[in-house]
Amino acid sequence: AQSVAQPEDQVNVAEGNPLTVKCTYSVSGNPYLFWYVQYPNRGLQFLLKYITGDNLVKGSYGFEAEFNKSQTSFHLKKPSALVSDSALYFCAAPSGGSYIPTFGRGTSLIVHP
Amino acid sequence: GAGVSQSPSNKVTEKGKDVELRCDPISGHTALYWYRQSLGQGLEFLIYFQGNSAPDKSGLPSDRFSAERTGGSVSTLTIQRTQQEDSAVYLCASSPIFSGNTIYFGEGSWLTVV
Repeated sequence: AQSVAQPEDQVNVAEGNPLTVKCTYSVSGNPYLFWYVQYPNRGLQFLLKYITGDNLVKGSYGFEAEFNKSQTSFHLKKPSALVSDSALYFCAAPSGGSYIPTFGRGTSLIVHP
Repeated sequence: GAGVSQSPSNKVTEKGKDVELRCDPISGHTALYWYRQSLGQGLEFLIYFQGNSAPDKSGLPSDRFSAERTGGSVSTLTIQRTQQEDSAVYLCASSPIFSGNTIYFGEGSWLTVV
């Protein structure tokens, strides 16, 4: 079965500093991994995904994520945080042999001015 | 349409009443998903439709919950005899088939049971 875990409920970072939101996965086979963002009172928006190929994936709004097979991680990163990046971030992966994505519990990112 | 459309965006209902939530997926997407997000919680899978196949209902929390998808497009999630614990955001998403594809979410239907 494939699942994801987000070990942090909340991440705080100062504007202009780099940010990292962590995600680890457990996999049987090749992983498909996704990051989504949810702004207040909105639905989820797709940020980026890893299917195969380069371990560094670039996505929307300047975000990127690094697939690390040895550490079974897919951490979301951004070199310089903006206050407007404050939101809830979800890591996701299809579960088991199905096409149904399961989501991590979410990490609240707070960027302080 | 251009995106996943959900209605109503907000619904307040009295305990014990039935509610219907509608989802109109992105045109051409064969897969449709319903999730529930309770306050401060992650996403809970409810049901999955893929083309003409039998839906995966494994996430429905009780027999008060049901969903259908007519003509392989629009889907309706029905909650009978609503309870206060049903208060949540109900999110619909759609995608082309294959697990490597991105799923796209609607804005959600905010349900409050009073």
